[in-house]
Amino acid sequence: SQTIHQWPATLVQPVGSPLSLECTVEGTSNPNLYWYRQAAGRGLQLLFYSVGIGQISSEVPQNLSASRPQDRQFILSSKKLLLSDSGFYLCAWMRGVGKLFFGSGTQLSVL
Amino acid sequence: EDQVTQSPEALRLQEGESSSLNCSYTVSGLRGLFWYRQDPGKGPEFLFTLYSAGEEKEKERLKATLTKKESFLHITAPKPEDSATYLCAVQAGSGGSNYKLTFGKGTLLTVNP
Repeated sequence: SQTIHQWPATLVQPVGSPLSLECTVEGTSNPNLYWYRQAAGRGLQLLFYSVGIGQISSEVPQNLSASRPQDRQFILSSKKLLLSDSGFYLCAWMRGVGKLFFGSGTQLSVL
Repeated sequence: EDQVTQSPEALRLQEGESSSLNCSYTVSGLRGLFWYRQDPGKGPEFLFTLYSAGEEKEKERLKATLTKKESFLHITAPKPEDSATYLCAVQAGSGGSNYKLTFGKGTLLTVNP
């Protein structure tokens, strides 16, 4: 069966510090991978998606970036965090039409 | 641009009191409409996919229906364990957006015993 791992679960970072969140999927090959952010009152916002190694599509212009160095690995990064980067970050992979499987999420607080 | 609007934002029910959640959408060529359930501090969990107007799906106390403009999630005789945020999402069937889902802000459902 397929599983998705996301870490860390919580993170507190100062403004201006770097960020690296990692997500890995097991039990499937060449999955479509996604990074979403959920902020209070704003719902789930798609940040990046990837349909293959090295293929990244950005949905929202911001100081975040994503990379897919391996087939089942998806990384979200920032060189300098802003206060507005705080939120609940979710990694997901898609099976079939619209069926997303989400990781357990990372609660990021930028102070 | 695809848009999804959910109402109400929050709903409080007594155990056993049936009700419905609404999801209205605009999308260029609907490929699918999806309902997810999200518990606090966790990632959303898939519930249903609806593909065309008139389609219905059921799971335990939940039934999802679809028209050309909106979807309803009917909750029959809810129990406290049905308390969660329910999210609606759409996937377009054309252009570069057919890999991604657009989500609504969700309805926070609280069922009191």
